[in-house]
Amino acid sequence: DVKVTQSSRYLVKRTGEKVFLECVQDMDHENMFWYRQDPGLGLRLIYFSYDVKMKEKGDIPEGYSVSREKKERFSLILESASTNQTSMYLCASSLGPTSGRAGEQFFGPGTRLTVL
Amino acid sequence: AQSVTQPDIHITVSEGASLELRCNYSYGATPYLFWYVQSPGQGLQLLLKYFSGDTLVQGIKGFEAEFKRSQSSFNLRKPSVHWSDAAEYFCAGTDNYGQNFVFGPGTRLSVLP
Repeated sequence: DVKVTQSSRYLVKRTGEKVFLECVQDMDHENMFWYRQDPGLGLRLIYFSYDVKMKEKGDIPEGYSVSREKKERFSLILESASTNQTSMYLCASSLGPTSGRAGEQFFGPGTRLTVL
Repeated sequence: AQSVTQPDIHITVSEGASLELRCNYSYGATPYLFWYVQSPGQGLQLLLKYFSGDTLVQGIKGFEAEFKRSQSSFNLRKPSVHWSDAAEYFCAGTDNYGQNFVFGPGTRLSVLP
């Protein structure tokens, strides 16, 4: 089974702190994604990566950055956390286009981040 | 632009009743389509997927979905709902590169005893 793990289930940080959210997948997937989920707004894509050291902005990249130094790991960074970044953050991974099964995303359990 | 819509924000059914959750898509070509379920405080779990071929796809937990190109729909069905099916359901689609992944807004399902 594909396993996507996220470093923390719950996280509490203070305004202005630098926050790292880590995501690791164990199935050699090319694509990795970071979403945030808020009530009434559904899932919104922050960033995605289709290869090591590659990244693409999603719908709401402002205030976030990402890092993908290794294929299995995709990190989301909040450079200076703000209260409006309090949310549930979901990581996902999927196979690439050559697989013929691109798009089937596997999700981690989520990190609920609270910024005070 | 690609889009996935779920017309129903919240649906309530009685336990044992049948269920249909609606999903419509707008893509230039036939997309890959998915249904996910999310229990409170959890990540998303894949229920079923459509890539090509048979338009009626079977998933886990007794769910099925039917791809209808003429209606641009991919509705999720279950013949008899169980209380444990109460959750939020997301329809999603992507092109065959897997990068333009779009989620619908979700439908929250409540189940009455």
